[in-house]
This record gives sequence, C-alpha cells and structure tokens, in this order.
Amino acid sequence: SQKIEQNSEALNIQEGKTATLTCNYTNYSPAYLQWYRQDPGRGPVFLLLIRENEKEKRKERLKVTFDTTLKQSLFHITASQPADSATYLCAPQLYNQGGKLIFGQGTELSVKP
Amino acid sequence: DAGITQSPRHKVTETGTPVTLRCHQTENHRYMYWYRQDPGHGLRLIHYSYGVKDTDKGEVSDGYSVSRSKTEDFLLTLESATSSQTSVYFCASAGENSYEQYFGPGTRLTVT
Repeated sequence: SQKIEQNSEALNIQEGKTATLTCNYTNYSPAYLQWYRQDPGRGPVFLLLIRENEKEKRKERLKVTFDTTLKQSLFHITASQPADSATYLCAPQLYNQGGKLIFGQGTELSVKP
Repeated sequence: DAGITQSPRHKVTETGTPVTLRCHQTENHRYMYWYRQDPGHGLRLIHYSYGVKDTDKGEVSDGYSVSRSKTEDFLLTLESATSSQTSVYFCASAGENSYEQYFGPGTRLTVT
C-alpha cells in the first residue's frame, strides 16, 4: 500500500538557522507533491506544490526539492523564525485522481529564539 | 483565505445517535473533501466530491456517508456514531485544477 514517512521526531532549531524536513514515499509514483503548514487547533494551509518534472521550487524563504528516483522530497526553511514553529505536512498526489491527497503524519518544527 | 466554514465547531454526542457535519464554501470550487485527523494517523480522507451529486469513497469511509446537493455545501453524516469516530474532522475544497486544497477550521466531535 502507499506509504508516506516524515521525520517522526520533532525538529528543534535555533532562530536564523535552516530547517530541513524530509518526506519519503513508497509504492507509488506521484505526479505532484504538496506541502502544508498546520498550527495547533487549525486546518492545514497550503504552502507549495512541486511537479514531478521539477527538481526544485522556491517561495520566499521556502524551498522544496523532489527526487523521483529517491522517492523523496525535502522542505527547507531558511533564516527560520519562531513564527515558523508549526507542524508541516507533505502530501504526494497522483495525476488525475480528483485531487485526492494522502498526507504524511507531519513533522513538528520548533524554532527557538 | 478561501471562504470555507464548518458547522458545528464542537459537538458531543452519544453512541448510536446520528450526526451531520456541514461544510460550506463560497469559492465555487468543484472539488470538496472530508478528512479526519487523529493522533498517530495524521489526516485521512473519508469521502470526496468532484461535483454536485458526484461523490466517492476515500481511505476510511466505513460508517460515513456524504451528500452534495449544491456546489457550496458538502455534508458528512455518521448514521450511528461510535466512540471510534471521536476525532477532529476537516473539510477542504479545491478548484478546477484540483491542486492546492483550502481547509476549513475543523469540527471536534466527541462520541461518548
């Protein structure tokens, strides 16, 4: 069955450093991969989408890579801030499946001042 | 933010009672989704809709039914609630390209 794995342990980093979160998937070949942010008690918020033919995507301080050979996506937050503290979810997506997403369990990021 | 709301936001109900959760979006999005989120399981898709009256099952659909009679409304019904359905339920919608999903604020349901 399709499986998605994200860093199970919470990630604690110092303000100003780069946070790197990992998403590994097995048993399928997604055409897209999305990243969401979720704050406690709130719904997820879309951050970035990367396509299978894109190696890298950037948005402000965020960078996502997508390696279809390794079946892995990396999510980077540069110059991290305490406001970046949240849980980050990855969601690989198959092509033409009505937009269905399978979410990873998420990685909790804590940025200390 | 996309205009997507859920009601009620909190509900406590007894085992065996029917429960309906409502999701309303004002973006004229074609696609709508119901998820549940539980510790240790993350977000799991219950049912989704790809148009009015067009719905399909997700990963954890047993014990749930849905209806979509209008573009803007997507209802999730628990015919006979069980304690295992205690969870936080999120609704989401997506536009025609069905890429990014916009989530509602969630409904916390407790079945006693």
